[in-house]
Amino acid sequence: QITLKESGPTLVKPTQTLTLTCTFSGFSLTTSGVGVGWIRQPPGKALEWLALIYWHDEERYNPSLKSRLTITKDTSKNQVVLTMTNMDPVDTVTYYCVRFTVTTFGFDYWGQGTRVTVSS
Amino acid sequence: ILMTQSPATLSVSPGERATLSCRASQSVSSNLAWYQQKPGQAPRLLIYGASTRATGIPARFSGSGSGTEFTLTISSLQSEDLTVYYCQQYNDWPATFGQGTKVELK
Repeated sequence: QITLKESGPTLVKPTQTLTLTCTFSGFSLTTSGVGVGWIRQPPGKALEWLALIYWHDEERYNPSLKSRLTITKDTSKNQVVLTMTNMDPVDTVTYYCVRFTVTTFGFDYWGQGTRVTVSS
Repeated sequence: ILMTQSPATLSVSPGERATLSCRASQSVSSNLAWYQQKPGQAPRLLIYGASTRATGIPARFSGSGSGTEFTLTISSLQSEDLTVYYCQQYNDWPATFGQGTKVELK
């Protein structure tokens, strides 16, 4: 059974750095063709892809946010970490961890999501 | 690549066919996926490769199209299908999503 779960702070202050951790099970990020990424969604609005890290360590970022994002992986812990710097109230959204595979090129498994509020 | 979905809201009676559209601002070949999102839940992958159903997806869901025009069809709407649907292209990074179509009861 494949599961992903996001963890991290629910409240951060403006200008602070957000660190979110995705802990997954049921697959390995050392398997060829697999990636883990992050997608976010404002309340009632559309989805926005943020970043992805592949099994072979390649990283991809949304250009609109690239300067603020870093994605890393720890395969021994089955974890992927996303950091986002200089948080702003507009970053108050739900963040999802997702699995990606080159088999489907879709995001085939999602975490439950974690809502982050940016407020002083 | 900008993805535009229409209509924003689709009113359908149970048992009827629902047809949702998605248009890309440039060709994405067949590199398109559809997702279903129910309130308070994460999205679920329905279709990838424009027309291939993901694992466990009922046969009443079908996808078609290529290039810039795509369609998601629900052949006989069930009550549990009344929710929001998103298209997403993965032909070029960054992957981009449409703004969603809400399917509601007529």
